[in-house]
Amino acid sequence: NAGVTQTPKFQVLKTGQSMTLQCAQDMNHEYMSWYRQDPGMGLRLIHYSVGAGITDQGEVPNGYNVSRSTTEDFPLRLLSAAPSQTSVYFCASSYRRGANYGYTFGSGTRLTVV
Amino acid sequence: AQSVAQPEDQVNVAEGNPLTVKCTYSVSGNPYLFWYVQYPNRGLQFLLKYITGDNLVKGSYGFEAEFNKSQTSFHLKKPSALVSDSALYFCADSPSGGYQKVTFGTGTKLQVIP
Repeated sequence: NAGVTQTPKFQVLKTGQSMTLQCAQDMNHEYMSWYRQDPGMGLRLIHYSVGAGITDQGEVPNGYNVSRSTTEDFPLRLLSAAPSQTSVYFCASSYRRGANYGYTFGSGTRLTVV
Repeated sequence: AQSVAQPEDQVNVAEGNPLTVKCTYSVSGNPYLFWYVQYPNRGLQFLLKYITGDNLVKGSYGFEAEFNKSQTSFHLKKPSALVSDSALYFCADSPSGGYQKVTFGTGTKLQVIP
């Protein structure tokens, strides 16, 4: 049981390049989400998914796309990287079983756009 | 709408002294509140949550938090700080009980001084 796995851990992109940040969970959680963490701003929600085939926008979705073809995977795509997207990105998954639920984070991807 | 606020960017406390990290909330309806901790270059780890019930919630690593409805606060506390408690702490809430769309505060850096 690996929890939430994010790859890569570090990435440097040139402005205009595209890439996909990978996120996979093996806990059969129905809900997955992507956050970005910037100094002094906490974590801000980019996109989230409540199940396979269902995604929705969070607080800061512009410049990012997501898809959820399986329960396990929730990749985040940067279409045309910009310096403003330099950040640390966290993927999270969660579940709810009645009054019990859990929220698990990956270890993050540090992205630099030059 | 819901939000949480962490009024202190940094808290310094001497090892062995009690610590408090502050969080206030503004939510409509019943609040679902959480505390997470982030160690350097790591993802967020769940500490504790409040849904309903006892106002004093006990969590991991000896931490506890007190839910105060009249003051709309959910301060994180520990009776005796350890140097290893030094980390970034996030208060968070969710409109749906922690399952979806968790909103994070801006974070408070806790520095425990030996």
